Amino acid sequence: QVQVVESGGGVVRPGRSLRLSCVDSRFSFSSFGMHWVRQAPGKGPEWVASISYDGNKKYYVDSVKGRFTIARDNSKNTLFLQMNSLRVEDTAVYYCAKDRLPHNFYGMDVWGQGTTVTVSS
Amino acid sequence: DIVMTQTPLSLPVTPGETASISCRSSQSLFDGDHGTLDWYLQKPGQSPHLLIYTISYRASGVPDRFSGSGSGTNFTLNINRVEAEDVGVYYCMQRREFPYTFGQGTKLEI
Repeated sequence: QVQVVESGGGVVRPGRSLRLSCVDSRFSFSSFGMHWVRQAPGKGPEWVASISYDGNKKYYVDSVKGRFTIARDNSKNTLFLQMNSLRVEDTAVYYCAKDRLPHNFYGMDVWGQGTTVTVSS
Repeated sequence: DIVMTQTPLSLPVTPGETASISCRSSQSLFDGDHGTLDWYLQKPGQSPHLLIYTISYRASGVPDRFSGSGSGTNFTLNINRVEAEDVGVYYCMQRREFPYTFGQGTKLEI
């Protein structure tokens, strides 16, 4: 069964950085677009960023542009989210999600269990 | 950004009944040949999982009690013969363009 597993969450002060990772070895990772979605406490999901299968296309929600960077290492079946200049409002569970079909963006079909990021002074 | 509006926000139902959730988008979600609207269910304590994609196609393993319909800017998720295991929050999501956006969620309660 296809599964993605996130890691890297934690508690950080405002202005600091964190790097999230997401890994899976049970599907053709390099063929699929990947996404990060977050969910603040008591709120609905918010799409954060997406990256194409080859890493050439990247998209971000406005609130993280210039602060977050999505990247992937297809040789290691790993997705990353580098989060800089973190703010209190970035506090959320961050989910990694795999795209439904290869080579383009078709929405998310497999989600991880999430990793929690808490930004607090 | 495309705004997604779900109604109702809370939906109490009795087992065996039919539940309907509406989702409206601020602009058409028709993308050439396909509608770019998906439905997700987040059960208590779990991550969201895909229920319906491209308006009306059930994801793998989803019972046929779940069905999606709609076009343009108006979409509906129907749940026939509601069961206790269906409780959770249902979200619609548009992927017509980035940023992908979700509805506020509809909490189904038994």
